[in-house]
Amino acid sequence: DAMVIQNPRYQVTQFGKPVTLSCSQTLNHNVMYWYQQKSSQAPKLLFHYYDKDFNNEADTPDNFQSRRPNTSFCFLDIRSPGLGDAAMYLCATSRAQGIREKLFFGSGTQLSVL
Amino acid sequence: GNSVTQMEGPVTLSEEAFLTINCTYTATGYPSLFWYVQYPGEGLQLLLKATKADDKGSNKGFEATYRKETTSFHLEKGSVQVSDSAVYFCACGGSQGNLIFGKGTKLSVKP
Repeated sequence: DAMVIQNPRYQVTQFGKPVTLSCSQTLNHNVMYWYQQKSSQAPKLLFHYYDKDFNNEADTPDNFQSRRPNTSFCFLDIRSPGLGDAAMYLCATSRAQGIREKLFFGSGTQLSVL
Repeated sequence: GNSVTQMEGPVTLSEEAFLTINCTYTATGYPSLFWYVQYPGEGLQLLLKATKADDKGSNKGFEATYRKETTSFHLEKGSVQVSDSAVYFCACGGSQGNLIFGKGTKLSVKP
């Protein structure tokens, strides 16, 4: 089945140690998103790619970076994780941009920072 | 920009009770509206959607109607089950294809 896959399901890192989360999709969608969801809060958009065009949200910290080497894969890099970066990270895709587009979500990666 | 306001939880109901979770939105244009469900420790799953005024989205016994006049998209279910216990997010489409989420409503259904 076509889907959005996130690995790993759970990730533990140390304070200040760089970590990379990965997302892949078999939907051949043009747009890929990264959301951060802290406990009991709504998901918050960090950035998204439309094809190779990167779009950063204004309030996304510089500590967060992303790469999209090809249509299928997108990575979230946290350069120096702090305790406040512990959260569920959700990857999503959509066919195109626009207010009517449906997003397809992966199962998320739960990041713990020790 | 677009925004979503949904009723705060937690909501605790007995099995077979009627459920309503209120959601209102502020938007430019006519975005699609969505309800997503998140089970403990999992990602978001689309529950239902509506793309234009007066559309009714429905799935698994849940329904929501896109009301332009009241800018609302309330979620309803006639008879909830224990397995419906989850967090429910109302969302509307943003201009860049992203989703604008409400804060989520935690539902607990007791046997």
